[in-house]
Amino acid sequence: EAQVTQNPRYLITVTGKKLTVTCSQNMNHEYMSWYRQDPGLGLRQIYYSMNVEVTDKGDVPEGYKVSRKEKRNFPLILESPSPNQTSLYFCASSPWDRVYEQYFGPGTRLTVT
Amino acid sequence: GQSLEQPSEVTAVEGAIVQINCTYQTSGFYGLSWYQQHDGGAPTFLSYNALDGLEETGRFSSFLSRSDSYGYLLLQELQMKDSASYFCAVRASEKGSQGNLIFGKGTKLSVKP
Repeated sequence: EAQVTQNPRYLITVTGKKLTVTCSQNMNHEYMSWYRQDPGLGLRQIYYSMNVEVTDKGDVPEGYKVSRKEKRNFPLILESPSPNQTSLYFCASSPWDRVYEQYFGPGTRLTVT
Repeated sequence: GQSLEQPSEVTAVEGAIVQINCTYQTSGFYGLSWYQQHDGGAPTFLSYNALDGLEETGRFSSFLSRSDSYGYLLLQELQMKDSASYFCAVRASEKGSQGNLIFGKGTKLSVKP
């Protein structure tokens, strides 16, 4: 089954404790992206990657890191999480020429206390 | 700056027709996408307009006017299962990149019996 998977689905952590949210897709998509969703703010893009070893900042990259060493994986790293990073995070992917048609993962709900 | 504006809430009755508008202000416009998101779920792609005019996909249609920086999603023969949030999104390139996706804040559609 073609899908985007994220792990963990739920995470409660404390301020300053480094964490990684994994994202993997099995559709051989070139483009991958991370979003955060907060009530009343819609989806905001954090980082995206047009292909392996190519990443770029979205609209809200502060406090996040990404890497794209393999085509299928695009982990999101929070080096020192803070409470304002409490949010619902979505990973998504698409073919490079259909960026307008994103396939989303199930989401990761992160709480930072 | 770049922004998309859409109504926050819309209510309609089963069987009716509803139109969700989206106006945008972006640079390097490539096209307008629409996504649906049910409560607790991930966004799913509905439609895309790169050129002016109407695109029809079953009960859903989407329209774009590039000269007016305006588009809409039209839902016909509303069903209870259409109750969800709907997001418009544009692929912009203010920074010269091609993968920056900007989403509107979403329109929550409630379908009443």
